[in-house]
Amino acid sequence: DQQVKQNSPSLSVQEGRISILNCDYTNSMFDYFLWYKKYPAEGPTFLISISSIKDKNEDGRFTVFLNKSAKHLSLHIVPSQPGDSAVYFCAASGDQGAQKLVFGQGTRLTINP
Amino acid sequence: GAVVSQHPSWVICKSGTSVKIECRSLDFQATTMFWYRQFPKQSLMLMATSNEGSKATYEQGVEKDKFLINHASLTLSTLTVTSAHPEDSSFYICSARDRRTGVYDTQYFGPGTRLTVL
Repeated sequence: DQQVKQNSPSLSVQEGRISILNCDYTNSMFDYFLWYKKYPAEGPTFLISISSIKDKNEDGRFTVFLNKSAKHLSLHIVPSQPGDSAVYFCAASGDQGAQKLVFGQGTRLTINP
Repeated sequence: GAVVSQHPSWVICKSGTSVKIECRSLDFQATTMFWYRQFPKQSLMLMATSNEGSKATYEQGVEKDKFLINHASLTLSTLTVTSAHPEDSSFYICSARDRRTGVYDTQYFGPGTRLTVL
């Protein structure tokens, strides 16, 4: 039972354009959502998060949007840079106060020069 | 802030031996740490949740006696893979929950440890 899904295993975007990564969840008890960036053989790096009381959170080039009715969140990166090439994981927490994060499968983003 | 370190970054051992991996929160106190495992091209799989001063909570299917977790202080948790076998070869990652974020659970991850069992 995959509670957090990233349906696109990969995404290719031209440098300077906007990258949009999507994530869907099924558990309505989740109340906190995070995006992590991961390079091979390294631990995930926290990027940005959003709580369920908001629908948008922005930090520099990164913006996360949350649509609770659709159980969908997205990460926008603009403008995309070559250093953004990595695997991006969305994660969710909050089910019955649980501390643990539930991760999606990840999306590999490639920024082309 | 919110830096988590892991040691060693990689280790090669013989089958049947035990390997200890350390996870430290360097600039914050972490009452809760988590241990994950990642297989190639797959997502992170939570193995266990480690609370300072108490027994770890293991996820279903994770052998408690094989993966020993100790969280003796607010900045250190250890994972010991006992009697390691080749199928235990994987990338092990720890994370620590930064309580300074308040109610919500932002976890910060270590750089990971590559374990290869021959």
